[in-house]
Amino acid sequence: DARVTQTPRHKVTEMGQEVTMRCQPILGHNTVFWYRQTMMQGLELLAYFRNRAPLDDSGMPKDRFSAEMPDATLATLKIQPSEPRDSAVYFCASGLAESGNTIYFGEGSWLTVV
Amino acid sequence: GDSVTQMEGPVTLSEEAFLTINCTYTATGYPSLFWYVQYPGEGLQLLLKATKADDKGSNKGFEATYRKETTSFHLEKGSVQVSDSAVYFCALREKVGSARQLTFGSGTQLTVLP
Repeated sequence: DARVTQTPRHKVTEMGQEVTMRCQPILGHNTVFWYRQTMMQGLELLAYFRNRAPLDDSGMPKDRFSAEMPDATLATLKIQPSEPRDSAVYFCASGLAESGNTIYFGEGSWLTVV
Repeated sequence: GDSVTQMEGPVTLSEEAFLTINCTYTATGYPSLFWYVQYPGEGLQLLLKATKADDKGSNKGFEATYRKETTSFHLEKGSVQVSDSAVYFCALREKVGSARQLTFGSGTQLTVLP
């Protein structure tokens, strides 16, 4: 089965360190999403790419977060410097642009910043 | 803007009970509607979807009907099992505009007791 692959699955890091999360979208999908999930805020959209171009990153704190798609098979989400409030599960998802198409989620990167 | 309102949880039911999780939405266009399920420690999985008014999505005994007149997409199951314990998310994806990301509800935690 085709699936969205995320690495690392789990990460514990110290405050101030750089964290990079990687995502391999499903082959052929032209839209990629980064979501953050916390108990308090639920699911928040951080960034959204179509055909590798960023369309919406308004949900992302710009001072420390950055998202890129170096090529069609890789999306990255970087936090520098990390803070304890960044502790969350970060999900990557991919799909086709048309709204009726399903968006498929990866299993998430569970980040703890101490 | 778009929004999704879900029934507040948590919901606790006995095995074989009837389940309804309410979901209503606000959208400017003609969205596609989705239910996702998240099992503990996992990512979100598509449960079912409907792409136009009066469509019924169904999967694994769950059903939801796209009601444009009431802007609703309530999830139902006639007889729940312990294995249905999870968090359920209602979501919409607009058909118009360039930013066709998923808008999620806050999620409803379901626990089914044996």
